[in-house]
Amino acid sequence: KAGVTQTPRYLIKTRGQQVTLSCSPISGHRSVSWYQQTPGQGLQFLFEYFSETQRNKGNFPGRFSGRQFSNSRSEMNVSTLELGDSALYLCASSLARRGVTNTGELFFGEGSRLTVL
Amino acid sequence: AQSVAQPEDQVNVAEGNPLTVKCTYSVSGNPYLFWYVQYPNRGLQFLLKYITGDNLVKGSYGFEAEFNKSQTSFHLKKPSALVSDSALYFCAVRDMGDSSYKLIFGSGTRLLVRP
Repeated sequence: KAGVTQTPRYLIKTRGQQVTLSCSPISGHRSVSWYQQTPGQGLQFLFEYFSETQRNKGNFPGRFSGRQFSNSRSEMNVSTLELGDSALYLCASSLARRGVTNTGELFFGEGSRLTVL
Repeated sequence: AQSVAQPEDQVNVAEGNPLTVKCTYSVSGNPYLFWYVQYPNRGLQFLLKYITGDNLVKGSYGFEAEFNKSQTSFHLKKPSALVSDSALYFCAVRDMGDSSYKLIFGSGTRLLVRP
């Protein structure tokens, strides 16, 4: 079974640009979450999507947005990039089976490393 | 508010010795608790979880963790460390009452196993 796939793995942008990151969850997984990892702030929750709906959102400015498609694939977008947005962006998926108590362990992709110059 | 504390930035052990990586948590309800490991330039790999039941949970690669409700702790342990265990370890918590799958992570503990 293929794992969580994130593209691109590495990218370099300049301040003011915008970026779109893509995530394909494990087949059958319906929940997709995004996290930002930086040396100073650690792992911070961005948002979670389930059945194309944002179910929870972290404390990030509106420049950070995301969406989920009907096939559970997800994208996140960061507009007007700032130097502080340089980070490893991690996508994670979870099974989220209907009618079952879901413990919610996350399965992570390898991440997209964004460098803002 | 939920929170996780990993009090040690780094843990150093000799290969073959037991290791412990500490984690304490705070949630308003009952917790789901997780340990993840991260190798350089990689994503996080799931190691183990505590949901309910036995306080000693066994996971991947010989790791186990002990849940202690009174001390609100979930320490990661391994009886005999390997050099290949050297990595960054994260403890995470989710409130059982939370319908979303948001995990709160600790700051991470770097484990260094010397030969």
